[in-house]
Amino acid sequence: KAGVTQTPRYLIKTRGQQVTLSCSPISGHRSVSWYQQTPGQGLQFLFEYFSETQRNKGNFPGRFSGRQFSNSRSEMNVSTLELGDSALYLCASSLQPGTPPEQYFGPGTRLTVT
Amino acid sequence: QKEVEQDPGPLSVPEGAIVSLNCTYSNSAFQYFMWYRQYSRKGPELLMYTYSSGNKEDGRFTAQVDKSSKYISLFIRDSQPSDSATYLCAMSQETSGSRLTFGEGTQLTVNP
Repeated sequence: KAGVTQTPRYLIKTRGQQVTLSCSPISGHRSVSWYQQTPGQGLQFLFEYFSETQRNKGNFPGRFSGRQFSNSRSEMNVSTLELGDSALYLCASSLQPGTPPEQYFGPGTRLTVT
Repeated sequence: QKEVEQDPGPLSVPEGAIVSLNCTYSNSAFQYFMWYRQYSRKGPELLMYTYSSGNKEDGRFTAQVDKSSKYISLFIRDSQPSDSATYLCAMSQETSGSRLTFGEGTQLTVNP
C-alpha cells in the first residue's frame, strides 16, 4: 500500500507570494492533518480535515488555510508569505480522527521563503 | 511554558548501549502517548503508542507512561547505528481528534 505522498517536495518562494501544497493520504484514510516543523518551534499542529470539513485548527494566523476534497486529498495554502514561514510542512493521514491516534506522515514539503 | 518538554540532546551512545529518552508534560487531559522516529529529510514514523499509564514493549523498544508524574519514557535496548535519528514524543487528548502535541525531539547518535 502506498504511503502518504506530498508534492512538491521542495519550494522556494519570495516574501509576499502565496503557495499551495498538496497531500494524498494512504488509500482508505479519510482524515488528514497538517503540521509545521521548524528548528525553533518543533512540530506544530496546523489543522485537521475529515470528510471535507475542518475539524480542528491550531494557533496559526488566517494566512494559513486548507481544504479537503471528496477523494480525501488535501491542500494547504499560505498567503502573503513571510520569512518565518520557512519550514518543513508535514501531512499525516489516519483512518478517521481520534482513537487510536495512529497517524502516518508523509515526507514533507520543504518551503523556503526568501 | 510548553505543554510537552523534551531534552533536545544531542545524545551520543556506543553501539549496544541502553538508551533512555524522556518527556514531561503539563496537560493532565493527555491520554494517548506516542513515540515517533524521524530520520534526516524524512517524515516522522510512528514507533509505538500507549493509552493512559503503563508499559508497552515492542522488540527492543519499551515505552513507559507515569501519569501521576506526567512523565513518559522510551527505552531502546541493544542500540544499533540504524537507530540514529531524532525521537519525538507526542500526546493527544481523547476529545482532540487527531491533533498531536509534540515535544521538541531528541537527536540520538549510536556510534559503531
